[in-house]
This record gives sequence, structure tokens and C-alpha cells, in this order.
Amino acid sequence: AQKITQTQPGMFVQEKEAVTLDCTYDTSDQSYGLFWYKQPSSGEMIFLIYQGSYDEQNATEGRYSLNFQKARKSANLVISASQLGDSAMYFCAMREGPNFGNEKLTFGTGTRLTIIP
Amino acid sequence: GAVVSQHPSRVICKSGTSVKIECRSLDFQATTMFWYRQFPKQSLMLMATSNEGSKATYEQGVEKDKFLINHASLTLSTLTVTSAHPEDSSFYICSARDLAPRGYEQYFGPGTRLTVT
Repeated sequence: AQKITQTQPGMFVQEKEAVTLDCTYDTSDQSYGLFWYKQPSSGEMIFLIYQGSYDEQNATEGRYSLNFQKARKSANLVISASQLGDSAMYFCAMREGPNFGNEKLTFGTGTRLTIIP
Repeated sequence: GAVVSQHPSRVICKSGTSVKIECRSLDFQATTMFWYRQFPKQSLMLMATSNEGSKATYEQGVEKDKFLINHASLTLSTLTVTSAHPEDSSFYICSARDLAPRGYEQYFGPGTRLTVT
């Protein structure tokens, strides 16, 4: 079974609208972390937001928020007031186990987001 | 945030030759670095976990004799693609965790695009 599933290969959104990118995960660990990264065409991976499995509040970072539904194993990224510069590939990733410093990340297949002027 | 550099950013080599890619943490120390490979329009696939002062841990299906990893210091890990073939052409990205983790983030390098002719 896939550990990280992103079911939207591509999305087109009108500028200034909000957009939700879906991510579901599968793990039997109680302690884990969920990440969202943005990858523009240049290739670098830009960290957006993080949610720990024990965090009670949904994470927020500026225009980014993470809709964490633990029982459903869902960690959707919400981008408010989308901008043209948000056009990129977006990856959801998971760290399984406690945050000791040497844990690998497993990535989903990504969603290509295109913002339409 | 912390900075990870990679060198070279692009490399073209002939089939049968070896190529070395460097990954450096510029303003922090990293006992653990990760090497990923990304084929066009695909996700990041972890190749190996590089541990300072010890042997790398390779993911299933990754040939350790073909992809040599050396983590000689707390700020440098190298990936050598030996006897490269066209099917090794890909985007290689490294990431690193801070030795004294401020939190949870993995810092990614800008990537190296390898083309084998």
C-alpha cells in the first residue's frame, strides 16, 4: 500500500481563489510527522508547512494551512488567496516514528498546481 | 533557514564514466544526509541515508556498488555514480538534518541534473 497518496495529478485554479491539495497517508506509528513541499520548475524543494501527529492544532504558516484529520489519516494543504507564483509541483511527505533526526521522508506523487490569471 | 548546497548543478558525462556530486551543509552540522533521485514528472525516491563516519544505508533496489556514498565530515556527503549509463540520467537531490535539530525540518539542496550520453 502507498504510504502517501496524492490523488490530484493536476489542478487549475483562478488567481486569488483558495485551493486545497489532498493528501492521505498510511502508517501504524503513533508518532509521525507530515510535511508539504513546493517544487517550482527550477527544481529546489521549498518547505511549506509541518504537522506533528501529536499536535492538537492545525499548522498554519502565512497563506498555508494544513487541515489535519488524524482519524481519516488526511493532511490536506490549503493555500488561501492563490498567487501566480504558487504555480508549482506540490509534494506531501511523511516521517514515520519520533523526531530523532535521522528519519527518512516518504513522498507522495505530487500535484501540479497551475494558477490562472 | 539553514542552507544546503550541491555541486555541480548540472553535469553531462559520457556513458561508462563516473560522476561525483557533492552535498554540503553550509551553516550547520549534519550527521545524517539523504540522497534522492527524481525522474521527470515523478516524485522523489530515497536512494540512501548517509551517516557521518559510517556506511550508508541503501534503499531496496539501489545498487550500492553503483552509487557510492561517502559522508566524510559533518558538512559534506558525496554521491558517486560509477560507470554511468543513460538510464542513470536523472535529477539528484540531497537533504540534511541539523545536528542539533531546532525542530523537524529537512533542508534540501538545489539538486543536480545528470545527463549521461
